[in-house]
Amino acid sequence: DQQVKQNSPSLSVQEGRISILNCDYTNSMFDYFLWYKKYPAEGPTFLISISSIKDKNEDGRFTVFLNKSAKHLSLHIVPSQPGDSAVYFCAFKISNFGNEKLTFGTGTRLTIIP
Amino acid sequence: DTGVSQDPRHKITKRGQNVTFRCDPISEHNRLYWYRQTLGQGPEFLTYFQNEAQLEKSRLLSDRFSAERPKGSFSTLEIQRTEQGDSAMYLCASSANSQSYGYTFGSGTRLTVV
Repeated sequence: DQQVKQNSPSLSVQEGRISILNCDYTNSMFDYFLWYKKYPAEGPTFLISISSIKDKNEDGRFTVFLNKSAKHLSLHIVPSQPGDSAVYFCAFKISNFGNEKLTFGTGTRLTIIP
Repeated sequence: DTGVSQDPRHKITKRGQNVTFRCDPISEHNRLYWYRQTLGQGPEFLTYFQNEAQLEKSRLLSDRFSAERPKGSFSTLEIQRTEQGDSAMYLCASSANSQSYGYTFGSGTRLTVV
């Protein structure tokens, strides 16, 4: 039961341009959405999140968009920098009391070309 | 505080042996999580503690797996009678409360079963 899909395993973007990473989900119970970044040999690092009551959240160069009707989550990075090269995971949560499980996508490897 | 620490970083074991991993969370964090990540996949939830109480367990956590957090500080994850399918990166994360959805992950323990 694959509830979360990141359909692009890899993405290459020129430095300075916009990077757009996408996730689709099927479980309508998800109400909190997160993005993590992972460098090799390190654990995932939290980037940005959004709750289901919003459709956009911005933090510096990172903006997360949520389209609930389409069950689609995206992350925009602009301008892209070489240090953004990493694997990006979307993650989803159902905010019931006592439910702490995050469901992760399979990841997209982003490569920023100098 | 240097973040979430996991020990060892790498473990190679023969099939059938038992292994134990340790996680030291950020000291003020009362919630602790174990995830497992295999190649090409995102992290998968295994279990979660609030203080010393284990509150949620995944179906992935078979009878051969046991996790403890005896004093509400560090945690251990033991795998008995290891199988080749147990080869994965085991990630630990911690958070201060349920509002802190951006968990802090450790760098993981990579287990190879030969």
